[in-house]
This record gives sequence, structure tokens and C-alpha cells, in this order.
Amino acid sequence: ETGVTQSPTHLIKTRGQQVTLRCSSQSGHNTVSWYQQALGQGPQFIFQYYREEENGRGNFPPRFSGLQFPNYSSELNVNALELDDSALYLCASSLETGGVKDTQYFGPGTRLTVL
Amino acid sequence: GEDVEQSLFLSVREGDSSVINCTYTDSSSTYLYWYKQEPGAGLQLLTYIFSNMDMKQDQRLTVLLNKKDKHLSLRIADTQTGDSAIYFCAVDYEKLTFGTGTRLTIIP
Repeated sequence: ETGVTQSPTHLIKTRGQQVTLRCSSQSGHNTVSWYQQALGQGPQFIFQYYREEENGRGNFPPRFSGLQFPNYSSELNVNALELDDSALYLCASSLETGGVKDTQYFGPGTRLTVL
Repeated sequence: GEDVEQSLFLSVREGDSSVINCTYTDSSSTYLYWYKQEPGAGLQLLTYIFSNMDMKQDQRLTVLLNKKDKHLSLRIADTQTGDSAIYFCAVDYEKLTFGTGTRLTIIP
């Protein structure tokens, strides 16, 4: 059983650029959630995808968008990057069955630095 | 919305027990979790408790839940240097809401 993987590990961008982060779910999981963890803070929920559709969103602007693919892998896209977008971006996968959500398992994260 | 509070720092002597506390506001949470984060790493699930339980023990870890006071604690018995990390409490209602984390430092 493979765990959650994320790529890239680190990324440096400049203000105004766009970025795409990738996540592969743990085998057998159908739900992916994305979190932003600023330095010294706890993770903040961005959004969740279930069966390729957004299934809940946190307090993040529309320039944060995502996709989930048929194999349940996922992308997080951030447009018009701002300095405050610098953070560790965490992906978590879980299994939802009959409306019941199981425990979320986290990947190692992508460290994004915006200059 | 949900609010989860933790103290920021805890220092414990090696071999002693560590107790990390967490309070939350939403009583509708079904699962409550403890995650561990080592420097530069992602989150490792340590343990969780269902909201209809008072206590759960898993080897060196004991979770206590007081629903009336909306208080969750994690006790680590025989704390070792490898337990040095940031510990996050998280509550699950419609989404996972995390506390700010407690940095556990082990004193040799």
C-alpha cells in the first residue's frame, strides 16, 4: 500500500505567477483535501474533492482552484501568487463510503516560497 | 466556525509523561485527532477518538475526551527524545479544523 505523495517538494515563484501542485492519493482512497500551513500555524482547510467534484471549501479566494482526476490524484492551482501564499501545502487522502468519511492521511507537503 | 486552541510550548524531562491539551468549540465533532509533525515534514496521524468515547489507549498514548468541557488531551508515557515534535489537535465536523500546535521539547 503506497502512501500519499506530493510533488514538487520545494518550489520558488515570484509574485503574480501561477503554480500547480500535485498529489497522489493513498491506494484505495477516493477523497482528497488540500491544506495551507503558514509558518508557525496549524493547517488551514482549502478545499476537498470527492469523485472529481469540489466537496467543501474553506475561506480561500477563487484564485485557489483544484482538480481531481479519475485515478483520484489531484492538483492545486494558485493564480496571481501573493507573498502571503508562501506556506507548506499539504494534501490528505481518505476514503468516503456512503457519506461516511474515514481518517485523513497526509502527504509530506510542498514548500512554496513566493518572492 | 470551529475554533481549536492549544498551548504553544511544553517541555518535559526524558522518561516523564507529557500531557498536551486542546479545547474546541463545536460539540458536533464526530472524530477528534492527534497528529505529529516533525521539522520539515508532513503530518503523521498518531491516534484519534470517536466523540462517544471518553478514553482511548494505544501503547504509550492515552487520549482523554471531556465532551462537557470540550477538552481533549494526549498523554505520552515515558517520553523519549524521538517524541520531540509539534503536536496538532484536530476536530472533524464537516472539515478538519486544526489547533495552532504544541511544540514538545524533551529535556535530557
